[in-house]
Order: sequence, then structure tokens, then C-alpha cells
Amino acid sequence: RKEVEQDPGPFNVPEGATVAFNCTYSNSASQSFFWYRQDCRKEPKLLMSVYSSGNEDGRFTAQLNRASQYISLLIRDSKLSDSATYLCVVNAGNQFYFGTGTSLTVIP
Amino acid sequence: DAGVIQSPRHEVTEMGQEVTLRCKPISGHNSLFWYRQTMMRGLELLIYFNNNVPIDDSGMPEDRFSAKMPNASFSTLKIQPSEPRDSAVYFCASSFASGAYEQYFGPGTRLTVT
Repeated sequence: RKEVEQDPGPFNVPEGATVAFNCTYSNSASQSFFWYRQDCRKEPKLLMSVYSSGNEDGRFTAQLNRASQYISLLIRDSKLSDSATYLCVVNAGNQFYFGTGTSLTVIP
Repeated sequence: DAGVIQSPRHEVTEMGQEVTLRCKPISGHNSLFWYRQTMMRGLELLIYFNNNVPIDDSGMPEDRFSAKMPNASFSTLKIQPSEPRDSAVYFCASSFASGAYEQYFGPGTRLTVT
């Protein structure tokens, strides 16, 4: 079983839509959680950390559910510039585990 | 502020040749990670260093791959001999410390082995 699993998509949504991604992890001892964004042919970049109480950054909301071992990312009012691959990342001890990414395309 | 620097950005080589990828982490970061990314397998951690010491190399595919970090500001990933299946994008990332801190990625080296 993979440490981190994501629905690869693709998600194709119209501008202005709300879209949500989920990511499940297998190690209950995982300590830190992140969402990264990767544009085509570019490096992954940190989008936001995920805190236990949930956190929001503008149109982006991240949540953590430790009981069910998943994290989520909600994007409201999607913009064309949100088109990218979103990677969830889970840290357990000294290990970082990346999901394979969820592809999002926002359509005009 | 300089980010993680990688060189070369692109490398095309023939099967059997030695390939050396280079990375300069962000100053002050003491953890360095080497990743490989392909369409089929996604992002895979190859090896990571903490304070210049290799901590976990379980992701290194085989003996053809080796990595060094002679000092806090430089690391290399070497493939000898290279094979076509090594074709991928190789990313170097650094962080303040392994564990809870986010990683900052370099732009990657796109390697093609013919």
C-alpha cells in the first residue's frame, strides 16, 4: 500500500467553480502535512501547510482529519491560473512522502 | 534570495556514459534531498542528507547511482553507467531541517539517456 494516495484526476472545472481534492495517508504517526503545487515542466512549490485546526489562505482551504487519515484542499472561485498539479505531502519522522498528484485544469 | 540551484538544467547523453548532476542548497538549510520524477512513477525520493551526512539512501535504485555532499553548500548525484530508463527529471530540494519543515525545490535537471 502506498504511503500517500491521491486521485490523479484530471479535474476539469469552469472558472469560478469550487473544487476539492482529497489525499489519504497510511501512517498514523504522520506529523506534518503540506500541499504543493507543480506547474507543467516546473518544480513543486509549497502552496500551504496543513494544520490540525484547518487553515485558510485566500481562496484555498486545507483541512486535516487525523481519525480518517486524510487531508483535503478546497479551492474556491477557481482561476485559470490555478491550473496545475497539486501534490499532497506527508511527513512521518524523517521521511517525506509525496502523492502522485492531482491534475486540475480550469476552463474559461 | 537565491533558491536551490541545480546544474545542468538539461542533459542529453548516450547510454553507458557517466552523468553528474549538481546542486547548491539554500544557505542555512541543513537538509538536502534528491528526487527523481517520471510520468509513470511520480516523484520518488532517492536519498537525503542531514548536516552533510547521508541519512536514508533506500530510494537509490541501484549501485549505478551514488550521491555525495562534501560540504553544506554542494551535492552531487552521479549515475555511472547511465541507461535509457534513467531518463527523468531530477530535483534537488533543501529544507531548514528534515522533518516538519517545508522543502524548497530547485528547477530540476531534465536527463535524457539515448
